[in-house]
This record gives sequence, structure tokens and C-alpha cells, in this order.
Amino acid sequence: DTEVTQTPKHLVMGMTNKKSLKCEQHMGHRAMYWYKQKAKKPPELMFVYSYEKLSINESVPSRFSPECPNSSLLNLHLHALQPEDSALYLCASSQAGAYNEQFFGPGTRLTVL
Amino acid sequence: DQQVKQNSPSLSVQEGRISILNCDYTNSMFDYFLWYKKYPAEGPTFLISISSIKDKNEDGRFTVFLNKSAKHLSLHIVPSQPGDSAVYFCAASAGNQGGKLIFGQGTELSVKP
Repeated sequence: DTEVTQTPKHLVMGMTNKKSLKCEQHMGHRAMYWYKQKAKKPPELMFVYSYEKLSINESVPSRFSPECPNSSLLNLHLHALQPEDSALYLCASSQAGAYNEQFFGPGTRLTVL
Repeated sequence: DQQVKQNSPSLSVQEGRISILNCDYTNSMFDYFLWYKKYPAEGPTFLISISSIKDKNEDGRFTVFLNKSAKHLSLHIVPSQPGDSAVYFCAASAGNQGGKLIFGQGTELSVKP
């Protein structure tokens, strides 16, 4: 299995809602990532988990809360988002350590009303 | 400050000819470079990578060239095919940054039959 899956594909939420994005991989990768991509812009790193521990937080607002329950799963919990948080949220995974290509999922298209 | 730059937002090439996509970087600590291809509403797909100890890496129709002194890399696609039409992102990382990728702005390639 060489796939990273993400659910849901699309999500519309109000500013007072709480929702979660899910990501799963079965490639045995021990590093997992969340990226945010706005239209016509490159992906921007949000969080990195290495061996199920948060290793990088790119100064992301606390209304985004990542969680890595096990080596195959990565969640992004959303609460009290703003309309400017509307974007494509991409999950990726790789072998842990440097010099490893990251494999991306198809993304979740999030719209905040 | 944009550490990875793709100065051509778009490129149009005839089918069967060579496509050359360019990327410049400013951070001399970058030592691993990757190219990704992205279709609309999909996640980026890994194409090819190169480490700073090499100046060329080839995989089928795709070749990446790295010029460290100029802080420049390029992706050559030969021969170009209509299915290659997509947005191409250059990305870079430094070995001491835990897998953090910095992406360029992307170049939209259009291969015309």
C-alpha cells in the first residue's frame, strides 16, 4: 500500500464548530506532516510528527490541534476557525529523518463560513 | 523572504519537445531537493529528488540538474507529453531541519498536442 488517505474530501464548517481531519498511511512511515495550501500558493508546513511525537510546530494558531494516536494515523482537530483558514489541508508521510521524499494525500478542502 | 523561487509562473511546450523548469534557492544550508507535480484537487505527487552531493539525477523521462555554486536546479522532461500538463513545485530541505520542506511558488506546465 503506497497511499496516503485523507477524510473527508470536503468540509464546510461554521466558526463555532469543532471538526477533525483524518489522515492514514500504511507504508510504515514514522514521520507525518500537515500542510496548508491556499489557492495559487505552495504548500506551507504546519506540523511534523516523528515517531508519534510532535517535532515541529510552525507557530500555528492553537485553534489547530494535531494528534498522532499511532504510527499510521494523524488527526488535525479544528475549533473556532476563521474564514481565512479556508484552504486545502494536505497530509504527508515519509521515512523518519532527513533526505526522504514525502508522499502526499489528496487533501481536505476546508471552507469556513 | 522566499527561500525557494520559481520565477516562471507558466510554461507552454509542444508535445515531444523538451520542458525545462527552473528553480533557485537562497539558503546554502539546503542539501536535498525534490520536484513534485500537482493536478488540480489532488495532492502533490513526488517525481524525483537530488541530494547536494550529486549534480544530476535521472529517472526515465525526468532529469534533475543541480548547480550548487549558482544555487539553481532544473527539471528536464523529455519528451514532453500532454499528460505532463500540471503545476510543478520545486522543494528544498536542510538535513538538520527534521524533514521540513520549503516549496517554491510553482510553475504551470502546459504541453500542447
